[in-house]
Amino acid sequence: GAVVSQHPSWVICKSGTSVKIECRSLDFQATTMFWYRQFPKQSLMLMATSNEGSKATYEQGVEKDKFLINHASLTLSTLTVTSAHPEDSSFYICSASDTLGYGYTFGSGTRLTVV
Amino acid sequence: GIQVEQSPPDLILQEGANSTLRCNFSDSVNNLQWFHQNPWGQLINLFYIPSGTKQNGRLSATTVATERYSLLYISSSQTTDSGVYFCAVGVLTFGEGTQLTVNP
Repeated sequence: GAVVSQHPSWVICKSGTSVKIECRSLDFQATTMFWYRQFPKQSLMLMATSNEGSKATYEQGVEKDKFLINHASLTLSTLTVTSAHPEDSSFYICSASDTLGYGYTFGSGTRLTVV
Repeated sequence: GIQVEQSPPDLILQEGANSTLRCNFSDSVNNLQWFHQNPWGQLINLFYIPSGTKQNGRLSATTVATERYSLLYISSSQTTDSGVYFCAVGVLTFGEGTQLTVNP
């Protein structure tokens, strides 16, 4: 089946710094990847859709200048949380859709803690 | 946008019991998936089931697309089945999940 690798699994950073999260499709090409955010005890909320070779599409209420998305190749999308603040602490998870009929496959997620 | 409702929100079972989780959605969809989120946050894809019935071991799922609902059946539950079960539709809108606790 399709595999999506996400790195790092967890990160702690100081307030004001930037953090980059990588999402890779290992055995398929993904022209589109998706980034979600999940707060404790809550569901997953779609933040943005990452399109290879073009600008990402952000959901309403998501600051595109704070959450920079780059999808430079068919197997890699990155999410950079810029000037992180404690309220950005959350679980971030990416997904991609393959063409093999498995639907959407998710990475293992990144737990970000901003101190 | 499309609305996804899951029930029940919480479910506590004794090991060996059977259960049914429900997912209602507000519009026709061409994609529906059931996921299990383990304690470490990993989302495990259980079923890709926009319509019809599928089975995988003790788990099975049925989606009746014309009536806009899907059911996830867990038989002979085990403690390792504990966690949150999510239904997601479209690209992807998630329900609020069902928190399942299976006690030994």
